[in-house]
Amino acid sequence: DGGITQSPKYLFRKEGQNVTLSCEQNLNHDAMYWYRQDPGQGLRLIYYSQIVNDFQKGDIAEGYSVSREKKESFPLTVTSAQKNPTAFYLCASSGSSGSGAETQYFGPGTRLLVL
Amino acid sequence: GQSLEQPSEVTAVEGAIVQINCTYQTSGFYGLSWYQQHDGGAPTFLSYNGLDGLEETGRFSSFLSRSDSYGYLLLQELQMKDSASYFCAVRDQGYGGSQGNLIFGKGTKLSVKP
Repeated sequence: DGGITQSPKYLFRKEGQNVTLSCEQNLNHDAMYWYRQDPGQGLRLIYYSQIVNDFQKGDIAEGYSVSREKKESFPLTVTSAQKNPTAFYLCASSGSSGSGAETQYFGPGTRLLVL
Repeated sequence: GQSLEQPSEVTAVEGAIVQINCTYQTSGFYGLSWYQQHDGGAPTFLSYNGLDGLEETGRFSSFLSRSDSYGYLLLQELQMKDSASYFCAVRDQGYGGSQGNLIFGKGTKLSVKP
């Protein structure tokens, strides 16, 4: 079955620690996205990538970094510079153009907590 | 600035009809989408309106009026499983006038009562 997987489901971060959230898709989608969701809030875009080896900052990129070395994978690193990282992180993918770009498919999410 | 406004909460009973409104103010507009998210789960795509009018998919319908910067999601024959948060999202304008990314509203929490 095609879909998006994220791991881990829960992640705990200590002060000053970098942590990496995994996102893998087998939908053959060109575009991938990372969103942050806080309680009672909508989704805010952290980073996005329209094609392999290219990515762009979203609205809240500070304190985060990404890479896109493979079409299937778009890992997100939450660095120690992100002072308020506790949130629900969602990865999504979509086609890159036309009607395929209008539907984003989301992974199950990773809940990041600070110890 | 860019903003999407939708009610924070709506309550309805099983079998009823509910309408969730969304008004938007963005620098560009390339369509209005709706997503459903159950508590603790991932958002799932419901519908997309690129042009004015009504789109129907089973019990759900979505409407768009670009001149009014307004849309709504209509849920009919409500079921308990429809209890979830519903987000409207607008595709904004990107660099050089190209299509940008999705901007999401803060969501409407729908509670369906027996």
